[in-house]
Amino acid sequence: GDSVTQMEGPVTLSEEAFLTINCTYTATGYPSLFWYVQYPGEGLQLLLKATKADDKGSNKGFEATYRKETTSFHLEKGSVQVSDSAVYFCALSSPSNTGKLIFGQGTTLQVKP
Amino acid sequence: DTAVSQTPKYLVTQMGNDKSIKCEQNLGHDTMYWYKQDSKKFLKIMFSYNNKELIINETVPNRFSPKSPDKAHLNLHINSLELGDSAVYFCASSQFYGGQTYEQYFGPGTRLTVT
Repeated sequence: GDSVTQMEGPVTLSEEAFLTINCTYTATGYPSLFWYVQYPGEGLQLLLKATKADDKGSNKGFEATYRKETTSFHLEKGSVQVSDSAVYFCALSSPSNTGKLIFGQGTTLQVKP
Repeated sequence: DTAVSQTPKYLVTQMGNDKSIKCEQNLGHDTMYWYKQDSKKFLKIMFSYNNKELIINETVPNRFSPKSPDKAHLNLHINSLELGDSAVYFCASSQFYGGQTYEQYFGPGTRLTVT
């Protein structure tokens, strides 16, 4: 079945450091890919998405490119801030699975001043 | 205006009790979901309704019963609560169109603690 694998956390960075959180997927067909963020004590917010190969999603300085050849959707940010500290989830959705989101295990990011 | 709301936010109850969680969305979406987030933050789909019709029913104990009175509401009733039901339950909604799901919008979650 479809699945998503994220890098293990926690990831601890200093402010202004470069961030990469790896995400790879297994899916039949052509899924849509998403990054969601969960701040402490809150629900999930959509951070960015990509719906087809080579699409780049971007928002709030975060970027991810849909790479079909490597089945990856890595999240990057050039300069993190303390306020970026949260749990980040990679997820996929495809028509073959009736639209449900399949999540990776989540990666906790802690940014220190 | 809150897009997806859930009540209650916190629910503490004893084993064996029956409880309900309510969800409402004002986004005009036709599809709603329940997800469970365990203590390790792992998220898993439980149920989904499209236009009040159940379309996803994952391997969930019969004690869990969803109900969708209309497109804007999806409730979750849990009978005979067990310790293992302690988790955060998230409601979400999206538009399902032409075989493709658009992004899902999540509620703030309901933290259920069974003692």
